[in-house]
Amino acid sequence: KQEVTQIPAALSVPEGENLVLNCSFTDSAIYNLQWFRQDPGKGLTSLLLIQSSQREQTSGRLNASLDKSSGRSTLYIAASQPGDSATYLCAVFSGGYNKLIFGAGTRLAVHP
Amino acid sequence: EPEVTQTPSHQVTQMGQEVILRCVPISNHLYFYWYRQILGQKVEFLVSFYNNEISEKSEIFDDQFSVERPDGSNFTLKIRSTKLEDSAMYFCASSETVRQPQHFGDGTRLSIL
Repeated sequence: KQEVTQIPAALSVPEGENLVLNCSFTDSAIYNLQWFRQDPGKGLTSLLLIQSSQREQTSGRLNASLDKSSGRSTLYIAASQPGDSATYLCAVFSGGYNKLIFGAGTRLAVHP
Repeated sequence: EPEVTQTPSHQVTQMGQEVILRCVPISNHLYFYWYRQILGQKVEFLVSFYNNEISEKSEIFDDQFSVERPDGSNFTLKIRSTKLEDSAMYFCASSETVRQPQHFGDGTRLSIL
């Protein structure tokens, strides 16, 4: 059974710091991995998707890496801003399951 | 940019009543999903839908639940005989193919009294 774990559960940093969010999954047979952002009471905004054959994806200040064999992904946020404050969710899509399986998220607070 | 839209944004219903949550997926997408998030918990999968039939469903998705694509644009989730524990945020998502990103709507907050 696929399980997704995210650490840390919460993170508070001063503005301008570079930071890393971690995601691990138990079954390496995935199609892809998707990172989302969720603001309080809101929906999920897709940030990055990494296919199983890829090692990393970049979008602006965000960089996501994938090490499928070890079951790990990281989301790197450069030069964090208060507007980055949100919960970041990692989810894996496994062909055998035909669905996204989510981690519990990392709640990020960036203070001025 | 195209987006998934969900209505209503908030639904309050008495226990035992039926509710229908509505979604309009992105127009060229072929795969449709429902997820839910109970307050403070993980987002969890309910059902996936492709080619006018359910392709996968979770243990949660029992006979109380059903999905339908009544026309070329809408995708609905029906919950019969609602229970207190059905209170959650329900998200609809769609994707062009299984390997493309899933795009989520803003959700419907369902409150059962």
